[in-house]
Amino acid sequence: VQILESGGTLVQPGGSLRLSCAASGFTFSSYAMTWVRLPPGKGLEWVSVISGSGGSTYYADSVKGRFTISRDNSKNTVYLQMSSLRAEDTALYHCAKINGPLSPLEYWGQGTLVTVSS
Amino acid sequence: EIVLTQSPDFQSVTPKEKVTITCRASQSIGSSLHWYQQKPDQSPKLLIKYASQSFSGVPSRFSGSGSGTDFTLTINSLEAEDAATYYCHQSSSLPITFGQGTRLEIK
Repeated sequence: VQILESGGTLVQPGGSLRLSCAASGFTFSSYAMTWVRLPPGKGLEWVSVISGSGGSTYYADSVKGRFTISRDNSKNTVYLQMSSLRAEDTALYHCAKINGPLSPLEYWGQGTLVTVSS
Repeated sequence: EIVLTQSPDFQSVTPKEKVTITCRASQSIGSSLHWYQQKPDQSPKLLIKYASQSFSGVPSRFSGSGSGTDFTLTINSLEAEDAATYYCHQSSSLPITFGQGTRLEIK
């Protein structure tokens, strides 16, 4: 299993960004995928999850209405569209493979760093 | 939201020592509790799933126990490579939540 996130960068408050997570080594469409972030100096925080088909999505209250998770099973890729970014969204964003929305996070990517600052 | 509280926040231990980290949930979560290890500049790795099931490839010195609201991660005969931050995670209900982490330092 390989998971590789990309798209993180420095962005101004109020800006938008799209993160990508490319996966391989398993039947991508059979598994849910989730985003978890690690803010500097803090602990892990769950962000969002999407089912294998893409038909079900869930969000943490802190990002609901601002972030959108989606997936393209033909490209084995999951996305996190982030808008109205705030300083508190600054974090290392990890993507992980899970069996379902309520399952352990079996495999994680290395993460991509998002910094929200003027 | 289910709150997970780990203890201790930090522990400094010597090699070959036995280490116990606890995780307490704010309400009963059955056995939907998992443990991860995160080393500096690495992604988290699943150690224990569903309170006591070892994940594939995890050394046998790592074990988990508990159910309901109280859970324990035990590391027997600690090795230098076990220096890391350890997190518990509940998947009983959304939003899934994590403990604040326990940083383990090897003397």
